[in-house]
Amino acid sequence: AQKITQTQPGMFVQEKEAVTLDCTYDTSDPSYGLFWYKQPSSGEMIFLIYQGSYDQQNATEGRYSLNFQKARKSANLVISASQLGDSAMYFCAMREGGYYGQNFVFGPGTRLSVLP
Amino acid sequence: DAGVIQSPRHEVTEMGQEVTLRCKPISGHNSLFWYRQTMMRGLELLIYFNNNVPIDDSGMPEDRFSAKMPNASFSTLKIQPSEPRDSAVYFCASSPPATNEKLFFGSGTQLSVL
Repeated sequence: AQKITQTQPGMFVQEKEAVTLDCTYDTSDPSYGLFWYKQPSSGEMIFLIYQGSYDQQNATEGRYSLNFQKARKSANLVISASQLGDSAMYFCAMREGGYYGQNFVFGPGTRLSVLP
Repeated sequence: DAGVIQSPRHEVTEMGQEVTLRCKPISGHNSLFWYRQTMMRGLELLIYFNNNVPIDDSGMPEDRFSAKMPNASFSTLKIQPSEPRDSAVYFCASSPPATNEKLFFGSGTQLSVL
């Protein structure tokens, strides 16, 4: 079974508008971490934002925020004021697996295109 | 810090040849992950090391694949013999070992098996 689901293979957004990228996850571990990474066409993996399973508040990092709904097992990424440079693949990921946190799995990704 | 260093950046080989990919993690990071990325299968976790010991290799696709971490600053992923379906980008990533720690990725090795 897929541990991370991203239902939007591709998204378009107008420059300067906000966009939400969906992510749902599946785990039975009480302690886990949720992460979003960006992969531009150049191929590098860029960390964007982190949310811990015990965090009470939604994480924010500049223009990125994470809409964490624990009961629904969702961790959507919100990008405010989109820029042309935001065009990339976006991956939701989860780290779980007990003490070592050895299970770090990624979703299939969403390709975001920002239109001028 | 130089970050996670992978070599080579690109590798082109012929079917049946042995391929060795190399990774130097960030100093002080005692967790190391190997991933394979393809269009069809996305980012697949192949193997995870903690303190140089393989903890989970359930993602290694078959016996042709092997990985080692002889010391804290070096890991290899070997494919022998290589096949065209092994063509992919292989990423190495390191981090401290905890669920709240992010991964730091290398630049990846683009492998093409002809």
